[in-house]
Amino acid sequence: AQSVTQLGSHVSVSEGALVLLRCNYSSSVPPYLFWYVQYPNQGLQLLLKYTSAATLVKGINGFEAEFKKSETSFHLTKPSAHMSDAAEYFCAVYIRGGSNYKLTFGKGTLLTVNP
Amino acid sequence: NAGVTQTPKFRVLKTGQSMTLLCAQDMNHEYMYWYRQDPGMGLRLIHYSVGEGTTAKGEVPDGYNVSRLKKQNFLLGLESAAPSQTSVYFCASSRTGMKDEQFFGPGTRLTVL
Repeated sequence: AQSVTQLGSHVSVSEGALVLLRCNYSSSVPPYLFWYVQYPNQGLQLLLKYTSAATLVKGINGFEAEFKKSETSFHLTKPSAHMSDAAEYFCAVYIRGGSNYKLTFGKGTLLTVNP
Repeated sequence: NAGVTQTPKFRVLKTGQSMTLLCAQDMNHEYMYWYRQDPGMGLRLIHYSVGEGTTAKGEVPDGYNVSRLKKQNFLLGLESAAPSQTSVYFCASSRTGMKDEQFFGPGTRLTVL
């Protein structure tokens, strides 16, 4: 069973518009949740991380994500998109898988920002 | 601080050839990881290490071997390359475990003909 699902493999927004990237997870207990960003031809870097301290998590570059237990979601948002936000975004979840804990990445969402 | 570095950046192999990818980190991290990234598949964990001298299998370990003889280095080996191993390979490290932020290298693009 897939433990993390990113809805939409490609999202396109205009510069200045709201960015919303969706992530849902499957777990009976609150997991650790991450958003990573990958710029073209680079490795991934951490945007933000949820560790149960606060449901609204602020990250770098103006991004934030809200943990909603009732919806098992951790959607990433940014009020106003900038051209430099064009990248691929990965949601990742650290949860129990069988007898071990493991980190599982979603398949990614490619964000395009149009001028 | 160089962070996480990977060697080489690009490589083309013929089916059946072998090669080793080198990963080095200068952050004194205990955990190191090897992932492969394929279009539409996200990142999949090949092998990982929880400390010097240890290795463990990840999600897709078949066809790969690893070694962690020194804390700062994590080697990924392909003994007999296959076209299905054409991918971009990323190394990462974290301070104490998978709950921590992972720091990624720039990747190695491998093509197996």
